[in-house]
Amino acid sequence: AQSVTQLGSHVSVSEGALVLLRCNYSSSVPPYLFWYVQYPNQGLQLLLKYTSAATLVKGINGFEAEFKKSETSFHLTKPSAHMSDAAEYFCAVSSGGGADGLTFGKGTHLIIQP
Amino acid sequence: EAGVAQSPRYKIIEKRQSVAFWCNPISGHATLYWYQQILGQGPKLLIQFQNNGVVDDSQLPKDRFSAERLKGVDSTLKIQPAKLEDSAVYLCASSLASGSGGEQFFGPGTRLTVL
Repeated sequence: AQSVTQLGSHVSVSEGALVLLRCNYSSSVPPYLFWYVQYPNQGLQLLLKYTSAATLVKGINGFEAEFKKSETSFHLTKPSAHMSDAAEYFCAVSSGGGADGLTFGKGTHLIIQP
Repeated sequence: EAGVAQSPRYKIIEKRQSVAFWCNPISGHATLYWYQQILGQGPKLLIQFQNNGVVDDSQLPKDRFSAERLKGVDSTLKIQPAKLEDSAVYLCASSLASGSGGEQFFGPGTRLTVL
């Protein structure tokens, strides 16, 4: 069975500050890991994914995440927050087998203070 | 290219009524998923199709939920009869194929309110 834990249902940072959203996973097989963003009244959009290539993954809008197997973590970072980054962020894991539906965390609401 | 289409966008029904949601995936995508997203939670997988066959329906409440993907393209998710706890956003997603960590593309969702 797989699971995802996102620490902090709400994270508030100042514009221009570092963004750090935490994600820990459990999986019985080498996982594929994803970060999705959801803007109000919009669908989920893929930010980045880890599929066993480089452990540091770069995504869209200046976001990146590092896969750390020893810590079972896949934290999302961005050096400098922008007002447009305010949204809900979801970490997800899949097994990569034929049944590869995503298991999502509960999400982290990112608030950007001016 | 056109994205994943879903309809209706919003639906309000009384408990014990039935409701159906429709999804049209991205052209050429063999794999289709339905997720349920309850307010304040992450999406939960209900069912996965590969072409017109079911790959995983282990989390689908089969006493009231059903889904089909005739001809391996469009899909319909039905709830009969609906309960209050079915109030959620129902998301459809598609991907080229399963098994390699490929991106799932999500539709805008159908927001269901059960009164």
